[in-house]
Amino acid sequence: GAGVSQSPSNKVTEKGKDVELRCDPISGHTALYWYRQRLGQGLEFLIYFQGNSAPDKSGLPSDRFSAERTGESVSTLTIQRTQQEDSAVYLCASSPDRNQPQHFGDGTRLSIL
Amino acid sequence: GESVGLHLPTLSVQEGDNSIINCAYSNSASDYFIWYKQESGKGPQFIIDIRSNMDKRQGQRVTVLLNKTVKHLSLQIAATQPGDSAVYFCAEKVGGGADGLTFGKGTHLIIQP
Repeated sequence: GAGVSQSPSNKVTEKGKDVELRCDPISGHTALYWYRQRLGQGLEFLIYFQGNSAPDKSGLPSDRFSAERTGESVSTLTIQRTQQEDSAVYLCASSPDRNQPQHFGDGTRLSIL
Repeated sequence: GESVGLHLPTLSVQEGDNSIINCAYSNSASDYFIWYKQESGKGPQFIIDIRSNMDKRQGQRVTVLLNKTVKHLSLQIAATQPGDSAVYFCAEKVGGGADGLTFGKGTHLIIQP
């Protein structure tokens, strides 16, 4: 069965550029999460979507980070004016609802030159 | 300088032995706990979860123990196999708090032949 799909798998860009990362959740999962994982670290929560409710943005590190989700489908995470400290793996997860285990994609490895 | 985050705690066990991975969580208001396995270049893979109204839960070859008194969580893996080599993360969720999981730094499990 299809799991969480993320694209691109790798992205290299220059400092100051904007990047857009995509996540396709598991079909039927109403909850969607974005996390960031720096090298050798655990995951840091960024943002959570549940259906048509207002997203929980409490983990976004700065106003350069934003995310959108249309209904219960695809989500995009956008980072504007990228900085070198944004280099990390960005992981997306989905779950049937907020009280169920989250299932992760394999992430997008972002490198800022 | 040295980055503490690049030096994960490591547990080395013989193939066939049992493994116990420990985790101290931070927030006494956490009511949901989950263990993930992460292989190199992959997203975290769900292993087992437990809610705060339980102190033990078993899955296939895995057992999670929760001690709320000392805020301690452990993952026991029976009859460890080479495929169990990975980084293991515990994560917690605060009841009524932010919707994302808070992850620990991870433990690298190495299986010796």
